[in-house]
Amino acid sequence: ETGVTQTPRHLVMGMTNKKSLKCEQHLGHNAMYWYKQSAKKPLELMFVYNFKEQTENNSVPSRFSPECPNSSHLFLHLHTLQPEDSALYLCASSPTTGGAYIEAFFGQGTRLTVV
Amino acid sequence: AQRVTQPEKLLSVFKGAPVELKCNYSYSGSPELFWYVQYSRQRLQLLLRHISRESIKGFTADLNKGETSFHLKKPFAQEEDSAMYYCALHGSSNTGKLIFGQGTTLQVKP
Repeated sequence: ETGVTQTPRHLVMGMTNKKSLKCEQHLGHNAMYWYKQSAKKPLELMFVYNFKEQTENNSVPSRFSPECPNSSHLFLHLHTLQPEDSALYLCASSPTTGGAYIEAFFGQGTRLTVV
Repeated sequence: AQRVTQPEKLLSVFKGAPVELKCNYSYSGSPELFWYVQYSRQRLQLLLRHISRESIKGFTADLNKGETSFHLKKPFAQEEDSAMYYCALHGSSNTGKLIFGQGTTLQVKP
């Protein structure tokens, strides 16, 4: 599949579980992002990686741990989550992080439910 | 503080009617504004950006710095325009951080 691919599409986990979300892009982009989309709230940026380096952490709790081993892959490691962390987690990528022509390409998201 | 406000959660119009999706922003510098769209069962995608001053699928948006607005307009709505629309702001810090509004659902009735 071309574009930005996220796996799994759906995930149900207990509060004591450890799981990981995966994002992959083959667009040759150098920047990757994690967003959280909760009901009744705007899309919230969580993390930004540019050339594998984290450039933005939007005050995200430490129970969310990102990892970017290379420019094509981005992970979000989850542990001891709370029910309020249930949301749609979107990954995005862009050629770079700067410039007026920046365009973020989004994956279809992982629907996470914490029970 | 950087903020994007879309005051309408739902906008319902009949086919052929004009559409205006409102977006107001708060930013102290020179922002870059975008409209993203999400059609049913599809991923979020860029519709247009203010810097390009382009018309995409009949939609246009003009940045009004005096009113800090970036409203999305289309003179004649089509049923296929039904979707969720998000206004987004990118600040001049070049961090790639997009600030999104809460989104407006556009429903075009036949």
